[in-house]
Amino acid sequence: NAGVTQTPKFQVLKTGQSMTLQCAQDMNHNSMYWYRQDPGMGLRLIYYSASEGTTDKGEVPNGYNVSRLNKREFSLRLESAAPSQTSVYFCASSVTGYSGNTIYFGEGSWLTVV
Amino acid sequence: QKEVEQDPGPLSVPEGAIVSLNCTYSNSAFQYFMWYRQYSRKGPELLMYTYSSGNKEDGRFTAQVDKSSKYISLFIRDSQPSDSATYLCAMKGSSNTGKLIFGQGTTLQVKP
Repeated sequence: NAGVTQTPKFQVLKTGQSMTLQCAQDMNHNSMYWYRQDPGMGLRLIYYSASEGTTDKGEVPNGYNVSRLNKREFSLRLESAAPSQTSVYFCASSVTGYSGNTIYFGEGSWLTVV
Repeated sequence: QKEVEQDPGPLSVPEGAIVSLNCTYSNSAFQYFMWYRQYSRKGPELLMYTYSSGNKEDGRFTAQVDKSSKYISLFIRDSQPSDSATYLCAMKGSSNTGKLIFGQGTTLQVKP
């Protein structure tokens, strides 16, 4: 059971380039999330998807787009990368439908924008 | 002011010490409280989960929630070098989504 799988694990981009971070979960969870983690800031929610076909903005959505491809997969796209998007990105998933749910994280994707 | 405040440390203790990690929060709607452990270059993993006020114990770990003071704690007894990691508190309200608000994380080093 792999849990939450993210690719790529490391990526260096030039300013203005685009890229997509891929995420897949095999826990049959309805909800999926993208967080970013920066020093001194903790984890901040970028976008989330409560169920297949729906997406909503989180705390820091600017500069990102997402696609919930199916129940398993949730991708994060940077259309025109900026140095401020240098960060560690975590995908996560959870069960939906009761208030006591919690989320499970992937291993992270380290992104550097130069 | 952040909704959740956590002392970033770093915190360094000798092996066998009792460790206390703390978070304060401002949103009285928070009802679910979690502690995640994150090893270097890894994703956060759920360590403890508590609903509302009270204590919860799991082996060497005890989580405490005091909603009246808006204060949560994680205690680690008989700390081990393998406990060296960053500990993140997280919390949420009663909605059925998993959207969490995280503290900044406290880096703990347990020296042999």
